[in-house]
Amino acid sequence: QLQLQESGPGLVKPSETLSLTCTVSGDSISSSIHYWGWLRQTPGMGLEWIGSIYNSGSAFYNPSLESRVTISVDTSKNQFSLRLRSVTAADTAMYFCARDVYEFVSGSPTNWFDPWGQGTLVTVSS
Amino acid sequence: DIQMTQSPSSLSASIGDRVTITCRASQSIRNYLNWYQQKPGKPPSLLIYAASNLQSGVPSRFSGSGSGTDFTLTITSLQPEDFATYYCQQSHTRKTFGQGTKVEIK
Repeated sequence: QLQLQESGPGLVKPSETLSLTCTVSGDSISSSIHYWGWLRQTPGMGLEWIGSIYNSGSAFYNPSLESRVTISVDTSKNQFSLRLRSVTAADTAMYFCARDVYEFVSGSPTNWFDPWGQGTLVTVSS
Repeated sequence: DIQMTQSPSSLSASIGDRVTITCRASQSIRNYLNWYQQKPGKPPSLLIYAASNLQSGVPSRFSGSGSGTDFTLTITSLQPEDFATYYCQQSHTRKTFGQGTKVEIK
């Protein structure tokens, strides 16, 4: 059964870098045909996709965050990671990792997030 | 960005009720629309993908329909475990979510 688990500091100071890791079990990132994504959720902004990465290291990002985000993958550890630079209080959120599934449905490629990790709360505060 | 607007933002319903939640996209997204259920303290869970395809293991009382800009999630007979918040998400251009619809007990 595929499972994802986020880990990382729960408290980050303003202007510093938020770093999280997602450990995947039950599937191999290196042999998967799917992408792997990061999302976050706040009461004010709701659910927001941050970016996704393929096992090759090819990543794409939400344009609203792209200037501050880097997502990387370590296939030897079956992990992928998020770095968000220059954080402010607005980056306080529950952060989730998820498999970004790409499939053909009725002959057309489409995608969705499944499954999700349990999430980790990150607070930005001095 | 493609904006996703759900309505209503919340609703109260009774066990056994038929519930309909609407999601409207700011431009056509064909059928690139997914639905998720989220319970308090849990991550979202996939219900429907590509507008009308039921995810494996999801009860058949859930169904999705629509294409273009207007989509619907229907629960035919609301069960106690269905009280949750529901989100739509488009995957046509990047990925954006609706603001959620909270289904509460009447």
